[in-house]
Amino acid sequence: DSGVTQTPKHLITATGQRVTLRCSPRSGDLSVYWYQQSLDQGLQFLIQYYNGEERAKGNILERFSAQQFPDLHSELNLSSLELGDSALYFCASSQAAGEVDTQYFGPGTRLTVL
Amino acid sequence: AQSVTQPDIHITVSEGASLELRCNYSYGATPYLFWYVQSPGQGLQLLLKYFSGDTLVQGIKGFEAEFKRSQSSFNLRKPSVHWSDAAEYFCAVGLRDMRFGAGTRLTVKP
Repeated sequence: DSGVTQTPKHLITATGQRVTLRCSPRSGDLSVYWYQQSLDQGLQFLIQYYNGEERAKGNILERFSAQQFPDLHSELNLSSLELGDSALYFCASSQAAGEVDTQYFGPGTRLTVL
Repeated sequence: AQSVTQPDIHITVSEGASLELRCNYSYGATPYLFWYVQSPGQGLQLLLKYFSGDTLVQGIKGFEAEFKRSQSSFNLRKPSVHWSDAAEYFCAVGLRDMRFGAGTRLTVKP
């Protein structure tokens, strides 16, 4: 158990809909990262938040957004969903702000868009 | 451009045999290096990491990796594979952001 929790575990929705994925980092970790894992794209970094502020952006679509709240949990919002958004979404946390450090991964949320 | 390459998409080894998973990177400076393992339906778990110092790094579950600067490689090894090692293995590198390789799926034959 990494100490990172993600909810829900599975999510099935329809195209055009909007969903919210939730992540609680390990105790003491200030950074939260979101990743998308799909068969064709592999593991892609989406975005990082550190102590409530956006720190780094990766291959995140404009239809996707995230935020980190004062209690450090984070939410990833996916809107206008398309079939191609079906994937595993991982959250990870670390103590690091700038330089990379060990990231601890949650179990993931499997999103299926029908 | 920064990149991480895991040349082997799928490797099959017999239980008890030795294992080496390859990882090569292209980076402007020497990055930090990681190996993660992902079991089916699970998140990624850190096996080991290299930041500096001794280029032979020991990790969990009997794994080790060797950093070779001249070859820009960070290969993962295990002397004797167990059936429970069957999983997907990811090499990751970075300084300010982490880049993951495409992964190598390990199958262990009884």
